[in-house]
Amino acid sequence: DAKTTQPTSMDCAEGRAANLPCNHSTISGNEYVYWYRQIHSQGPQYIIHGLKNNETNEMASLIITEDRKSSTLILPHATLRDTAVYYCIVRPNSGAGSYQLTFGKGTKLSVIP
Amino acid sequence: GAGVSQSPRYKVAKRGQDVALRCDPISGHVSLFWYQQALGQGPEFLTYFQNEAQLDKSGLPSDRFFAERPEGSVSTLKIQRTQQEDSAVYLCASSSGHSVSYNEQFFGPGTRLTVL
Repeated sequence: DAKTTQPTSMDCAEGRAANLPCNHSTISGNEYVYWYRQIHSQGPQYIIHGLKNNETNEMASLIITEDRKSSTLILPHATLRDTAVYYCIVRPNSGAGSYQLTFGKGTKLSVIP
Repeated sequence: GAGVSQSPRYKVAKRGQDVALRCDPISGHVSLFWYQQALGQGPEFLTYFQNEAQLDKSGLPSDRFFAERPEGSVSTLKIQRTQQEDSAVYLCASSSGHSVSYNEQFFGPGTRLTVL
């Protein structure tokens, strides 16, 4: 019973923006959207998270639609080192399930030279 | 600074052997998590510790799996009588503070277990 839906794979040209979509149509009001990525042979790495406002940090931007049923992770200038599997995760801010991360299969992003 | 470390990085076991996987979390991190990642899949939650207390072990697949964190720092995941379906990467993560919902989890590189 996946709570998020992501494309299996995407390509992006080096230097261009990578826009990774995620659908989470059953998200609840107290659930945050988290993004992690996993580079080959490494553990997952936190990228960003948000509730309903758009968020930006040094790694990426997160755009959440007004109805919160979908979001987009934006890597503004993709580099070869951004090649990884990107996971969109919905997680409550308290109570049952608030501490564990429930990963799906993610999107395999390939940055092409 | 030092991140989460795990050892060994690779482990090959014969079916029926017992194995022990070690996790050294970031110093001072209160919360510690174990995840299992099968080939081509995302990580799946196994268990969660807050200091030395194991607060959730609902993800452990069978009673052959046992985790401990006796002094609230280093943790060991033990698998008894390993089976081929136990072959996976075992990931450890830690986070600071007691309110884990707002704290990012820092992952180690994982231990790749292969059961022959």
